[in-house]
Amino acid sequence: EIVMTQSPATLSVSPGEGVTLSCRASQSVSSNLAWYQQKPGQAPRLLIYGTSTRATGIPARFSGSASGTDFTLTINSLQSEDFAVYYCQQYNVRPLTFGGGTKVEI
Amino acid sequence: EVQLVESGGGLVQPGGSLRLSCAASGFTFSNYAMSWVRQAPGKGLEWVSGISASGDTTYYPDSVKGRFTISRDNSKETLYLQMSSLRAEDTALYYCAKVAPGKWFFDYWGQGTPVTVSS
Repeated sequence: EIVMTQSPATLSVSPGEGVTLSCRASQSVSSNLAWYQQKPGQAPRLLIYGTSTRATGIPARFSGSASGTDFTLTINSLQSEDFAVYYCQQYNVRPLTFGGGTKVEI
Repeated sequence: EVQLVESGGGLVQPGGSLRLSCAASGFTFSNYAMSWVRQAPGKGLEWVSGISASGDTTYYPDSVKGRFTISRDNSKETLYLQMSSLRAEDTALYYCAKVAPGKWFFDYWGQGTPVTVSS
């Protein structure tokens, strides 16, 4: 099973700032990495797939990148609606696995 | 508009069984693989099953293999999860999720149905 490790667990930031969230895979997942956003009481929402492709309707301030097995989600100029928990997921092999999440809070 | 509406959750005793359903609309259900993903209270996401578009092939992680069975009725546009030998650690919100075309990430999610395993 591929273990996905997200860091940090919590990020405290102010609106307007930029943030970088990290996700490390225990082995290669190629570019088969997705990011989701989850707000309290809501289902997860797809943000990024294929490491760097934004899903439909996702603003350009969200971007994804990778270096080997290290993946990054960058959010530029945080808006109030961006405060949430973010999860990465590898879909290169089954079982599909998620990271433990990073909470972005004010 | 894609809609996924789960139902069937509830309180069940350890060792008991429960069947979840997910009614799909807004897309051609029979063309897409589907999955169930769960989230224990205050915890992260865990994939618990997947099924091909035709229903011929199913997938499970070891944590539920042999206890959970995913199935679908394409004529009714409905996904199911039959859960048996339930344990306290199966307590979670269970989400139905549509699998993206050709790749096993999830482009649409339902709102979830809660399952509590407790005596």
